[in-house]
Amino acid sequence: QLQLQESGPGLVKPSETLSLTCTVSIGSISSSSYYWGWIRQPPGKGLEWIGSIYYRGSTYYNPSLKSRVTMSVDTSKNQFSLRLNSVTAADTALYYCARVSFGGHFDYWGQGALVTVSS
Amino acid sequence: QSVLTQPPSVSGAPGQRVTISCTGSSSNIGAGYDVHWYQQLPGTAPKLLIFGNSNRPSGVPDRFSGSKSGTSASLAITGLQAEDEADYYCQSYDSSLSDNWVFGGGTKLTVL
Repeated sequence: QLQLQESGPGLVKPSETLSLTCTVSIGSISSSSYYWGWIRQPPGKGLEWIGSIYYRGSTYYNPSLKSRVTMSVDTSKNQFSLRLNSVTAADTALYYCARVSFGGHFDYWGQGALVTVSS
Repeated sequence: QSVLTQPPSVSGAPGQRVTISCTGSSSNIGAGYDVHWYQQLPGTAPKLLIFGNSNRPSGVPDRFSGSKSGTSASLAITGLQAEDEADYYCQSYDSSLSDNWVFGGGTKLTVL
């Protein structure tokens, strides 16, 4: 079945840019039926949707993060990526990538990548 | 503050039935957007439990059921088991400021 795997630095300095990549396997990121999303979870807190991207590049971002977020997709590598700039300690979280199914639900999730913002 | 409101915690004894509510507004659940539910066991990624208000993915026991009415939705768990102890999140779509996906704040289920 579809698998997603997050990768990227686990430690980012304040004011710098957080970069994560999600690799999709046993399935194609170019399917016309799905979006691909990023969700984060600060330690001990709930889930927050960050943004979603279609394989052709159209994006939707959380209004509260929109000014700092950029998502992109690389169909040749079956990957999509997240960049969050000007990070602070409040951006410390588990970052999950997920597939967004036609009905708007996240049906497959990666295992999560912990990113800590600290100097 | 989450756009979708859930109780912080619920509890029940093994074998009992519990419900978890998810209250939204006219820009999300009340606008007709579907509600989905996720179960997050300790230390693991969220898992899709209910999609499209009341549909269970393959492999999810029929002890779990979902419903939606007006601006609210509910998740019901019958025959409560110890392994159901987890965090539960509702999720929908909101079109107030801009189109975006939204989660509830989460509910911690404790099996007594």
